[in-house]
Amino acid sequence: EAGVAQSPRYKIIEKRQSVAFWCNPISGHATLYWYQQILGQGPKLLIQFQNNGVVDDSQLPKDRFSAERLKGVDSTLKIQPAKLEDSAVYLCASSLDRGLTGGPSDTQYFGPGTRLTVL
Amino acid sequence: GESVGLHLPTLSVQEGDNSIINCAYSNSASDYFIWYKQESGKGPQFIIDIRSNMDKRQGQRVTVLLNKTVKHLSLQIAATQPGDSAVYFCAEGGGSYIPTFGRGTSLIVHP
Repeated sequence: EAGVAQSPRYKIIEKRQSVAFWCNPISGHATLYWYQQILGQGPKLLIQFQNNGVVDDSQLPKDRFSAERLKGVDSTLKIQPAKLEDSAVYLCASSLDRGLTGGPSDTQYFGPGTRLTVL
Repeated sequence: GESVGLHLPTLSVQEGDNSIINCAYSNSASDYFIWYKQESGKGPQFIIDIRSNMDKRQGQRVTVLLNKTVKHLSLQIAATQPGDSAVYFCAEGGGSYIPTFGRGTSLIVHP
């Protein structure tokens, strides 16, 4: 079974530029998550989708971050404009279900991440 | 505020020894806990989980212990191997079971 795919793997931009990340979840997984992982810290949830609808975006800095999952499969996360503090690894994860039962269907499978460096 | 933290940032062990990675949590409402392993350049990988109605759960070479009285959980890895070298995160889930991650412990296994 193919895992979660993310691209690009690495991106270097200057502050105030824009950047976009792409994620393709595991086939059949209804729930998709974007996390930000700053060096030396654990991942922090940015946004959760259930199919093509947003379930939780309470920690997404909406003045500069946006995400969409128009057809309920692939997703893109955009930062515009980027700041120095946005340097991090952006992880995408998917799960069969939306994390309400704590069972195997809620297990999140993570992609390899996109390492963003903002100069 | 609520937090999930780890006691030690780095743990060094010899190959073949048993490893114990500890984690403290502060949200008494948390009822689901997960351990993840993250190797360099990869995303976190699910290892084992435990619900708050359990004290212990065993997997293949791994055991998670939960002490709700002191809000502490641990991950025990038996016969640690070089391939176990990674950063280990404990995460807690509340009613939504969306994990909140702690900082992580780096496990270094010496051959």
